[in-house]
Amino acid sequence: QKEVEQNSGPLSVPEGAIASLNCTYSDRGSQSFFWYRQYSGKSPELIMFIYSNGDKEDGRFTAQLNKASQYVSLLIRDSQPSDSATYLCAVQGSGGGADGLTFGKGTHLIIQP
Amino acid sequence: EPEVTQTPSHQVTQMGQEVILRCVPISNHLYFYWYRQILGQKVEFLVSFYNNEISEKSEIFDDQFSVERPDGSNFTLKIRSTKLEDSAMYFCASSDLQETQYFGPGTRLLVL
Repeated sequence: QKEVEQNSGPLSVPEGAIASLNCTYSDRGSQSFFWYRQYSGKSPELIMFIYSNGDKEDGRFTAQLNKASQYVSLLIRDSQPSDSATYLCAVQGSGGGADGLTFGKGTHLIIQP
Repeated sequence: EPEVTQTPSHQVTQMGQEVILRCVPISNHLYFYWYRQILGQKVEFLVSFYNNEISEKSEIFDDQFSVERPDGSNFTLKIRSTKLEDSAMYFCASSDLQETQYFGPGTRLLVL
């Protein structure tokens, strides 16, 4: 049974600070890792994806992957009130596009103005 | 920017009735998926579809569910005999060979 674990929060961060979101996964065969943002009542919106160990930066977002520790993280720099949402970590297996994503329950992030 | 579309946005049905949820994936995408999210719970994978056949399905996707690509643009999820516990948000997603999945806005299904 593939599991993805996230702290449900809420995680409260002051505006302008760095928000750090974490995720662990159980399946060592997982190959692809995604962060989605979900506003209440809306669909998941892709933020970033990462396939290789290390860091990947895209604007204010940095994804970090450590396959040995089965750990993925997302850093949001210069947090804005509009970043307040639930952040979903998702993992895909070695089957590539044929594999569905296994999602965590999400971390509720609140950016305090 | 291309996006996945879904219809209807809301559907109310009686227990035991059949429902069909419709999706139009992004036009050059090759993989199609259905997920569901029960209120307050995590997003759960139902099924993936490639080259006109099911690639993978989860334990949730039992004989009550079926998927079809009836033409070159639509992708449908049919629930044959709905149960109260089928009430959820159903999301369609699609991806190209880069494997990044993009989600549609969802259909909120309420079974009474």
